[in-house]
Amino acid sequence: GNSVTQMEGPVTLSEEAFLTINCTYTATGYPSLFWYVQYPGEGLQLLLKATKADDKGSNKGFEATYRKETTSFHLEKGSVQVSDSAVYFCALSLPVNQFYFGTGTSLTVIP
Amino acid sequence: NAGVTQTPKFRVLKTGQSMTLLCAQDMNHEYMYWYRQDPGMGLRLIHYSVGEGTTAKGEVPDGYNVSRLKKQNFLLGLESAAPSQTSVYFCASTHASNRNRGINQPQHFGDGTRLSIL
Repeated sequence: GNSVTQMEGPVTLSEEAFLTINCTYTATGYPSLFWYVQYPGEGLQLLLKATKADDKGSNKGFEATYRKETTSFHLEKGSVQVSDSAVYFCALSLPVNQFYFGTGTSLTVIP
Repeated sequence: NAGVTQTPKFRVLKTGQSMTLLCAQDMNHEYMYWYRQDPGMGLRLIHYSVGEGTTAKGEVPDGYNVSRLKKQNFLLGLESAAPSQTSVYFCASTHASNRNRGINQPQHFGDGTRLSIL
């Protein structure tokens, strides 16, 4: 079946630390991969996406590379800020209208 | 830009009561979705719609009904609420065309409805 597995949190980092949130997937076919971010009291917002193998999605200093050989899409940021504190969701989509989300990883960045 | 708007934001119901959650989007998106978000389980798809007048079941449809009478609105109904339906409900929409059919398109989410069933 199709599924997304991401590292469990919560993750607590100091400001300017390096961030990695692991995400691996299982999919039949060729999925598109996404990272969404959810701030308290809000819905999910698209952070970045990649639609084919070796694509790198990037936004606001965050990056993730679609690795087909390891079925992974790990989220990274070189220097986190307090404002990055949120819950991060890895997700995949397949034709047609198949969406699968990870369970979310809570990140807290302390000054 | 309103995007995706959900009403109400909060609601408390008693077991057996009914209610309807409203989702409205102003982006002229074709596809719309209802999810529930529970601790440790991520988002699970309840129902979705690929166009006005059409709906389909998702992963966890039991106990819910939906309607898409207008392109911009997608209603989620609970006919007889149960405590197991206590959750945060999110609506989302996606642009789709005959060419891409929503493939590779991100979803746009509302801010959620927090529903408690006593």
